Amino acid sequence: DIQMTQSPSSLSASVGDRVTITCRASQGISNYLAWYQQKPGKVPKLLIYAASTLQSGVPSRFSGSGSGTDFTLTISSLQPEDVATYYCQKYNSAPLTFGQGTKVEIK
Amino acid sequence: QVQLQESGPGLVKSSETLSLTCTVSGDSLKSRGRFWGWIRQPPGKGLEWVASMYDGGTTYYNPSLKSRVTMAVDTSTSQLSLKLKSVTAADTAVYYCARHSPNCGGDCYFDFWGQGTRVTVSS
Repeated sequence: DIQMTQSPSSLSASVGDRVTITCRASQGISNYLAWYQQKPGKVPKLLIYAASTLQSGVPSRFSGSGSGTDFTLTISSLQPEDVATYYCQKYNSAPLTFGQGTKVEIK
Repeated sequence: QVQLQESGPGLVKSSETLSLTCTVSGDSLKSRGRFWGWIRQPPGKGLEWVASMYDGGTTYYNPSLKSRVTMAVDTSTSQLSLKLKSVTAADTAVYYCARHSPNCGGDCYFDFWGQGTRVTVSS
């Protein structure tokens, strides 16, 4: 089965900083990669699918890139409301594995 | 707007069977190309995909749970169900039901999620 590895597991950045989270697949998955945001105590929310397509209503400071095995989620200017844990998920085929998550905090 | 609402027992004894339901509104379980899934999240941990059911009733299960889990759809009541047998403390989690986006025609990301139901396995 394909494993999904995120890095870092946590990060602390200042408001306005550019933040980058990496997700690596153990085998190629083309662009079948989604990113979710889960705020504390809340339900996961879809941010990006097809590696780089922004879900409707998601702020444009979020962007995704990558293909094959290496993917990134970028927040261009970190805002206080972006404090959350971010998960990648592969969906090219079952099992639909999630990454272990990256916790983003404000410095 | 698609809405999903999970329901369950809250507390289950170790070695027993956990049964959950998810009521779907704003979409039809009968519609072709509609796929549904379950995801769980142990306390303080990450998301784990549990199961998905695709058009025509084909089901896929997490290999680590496959021997214990069954997912079903009841189109007459617009409900999904999940049964997990022989539960242990490791099955304590919030269980979410979710819709696979219809954009992919098969395996896909989850675009709508329920609020989740918390399940604790007691000894």
